[in-house]
Amino acid sequence: EPEVTQTPSHQVTQMGQEVILRCVPISNHLYFYWYRQILGQKVEFLVSFYNNEISEKSEIFDDQFSVERPDGSNFTLKIRSTKLEDSAMYFCASGTGTVNTGELFFGEGSRLTVL
Amino acid sequence: SQKIEQNSEALNIQEGKTATLTCNYTNYSPAYLQWYRQDPGRGPVFLLLIRENEKEKRKERLKVTFDTTLKQSLFHITASQPADSATYLCALDNTGGFKTIFGAGTRLFVKA
Repeated sequence: EPEVTQTPSHQVTQMGQEVILRCVPISNHLYFYWYRQILGQKVEFLVSFYNNEISEKSEIFDDQFSVERPDGSNFTLKIRSTKLEDSAMYFCASGTGTVNTGELFFGEGSRLTVL
Repeated sequence: SQKIEQNSEALNIQEGKTATLTCNYTNYSPAYLQWYRQDPGRGPVFLLLIRENEKEKRKERLKVTFDTTLKQSLFHITASQPADSATYLCALDNTGGFKTIFGAGTRLFVKA
């Protein structure tokens, strides 16, 4: 069964460093998403990406964040200068985006720890 | 502002009983509503999607209802099993697939 894969599974970084989280969505999906979940809290929407551009973003997704689909298969989330409060699990998801099959398929997440 | 509310208290039930979880929302006019399961440290897993013109949807031991007048969905697991223990998330999208927002989830514990 096709699945969304994410790397790395866990990354530890120093405050102020740049981090890139990588995702390979399901191959025939057209909509791509990043969510984050701080330990013990809810799954929060960060950004959606369709047709090579950002479709929606939340207030969390400020200028420190960017997304890219560099080669037609990978989908990346970059955090330019990490802060302590960026420590969270980051989930990539993909979907077909239609009403009939609007479900999202999530990866297993990348745990980011900022020291 | 838009809100999705799920019972933050954990639900404890005995194996074999029916678990009923509630999702209420405000300031949404969703075309559909989704339910996901999340296990600790794992990504959410899609369970069911119900459209605004559907009152009820079933899948094996799962049943979802959707009342757009009450702005409420109920999620039922019949003949519950300890393996059903997880957090169940309600999710809504006003944008046709671009911004699915999740509720905080309800933690379900099924005791053997």
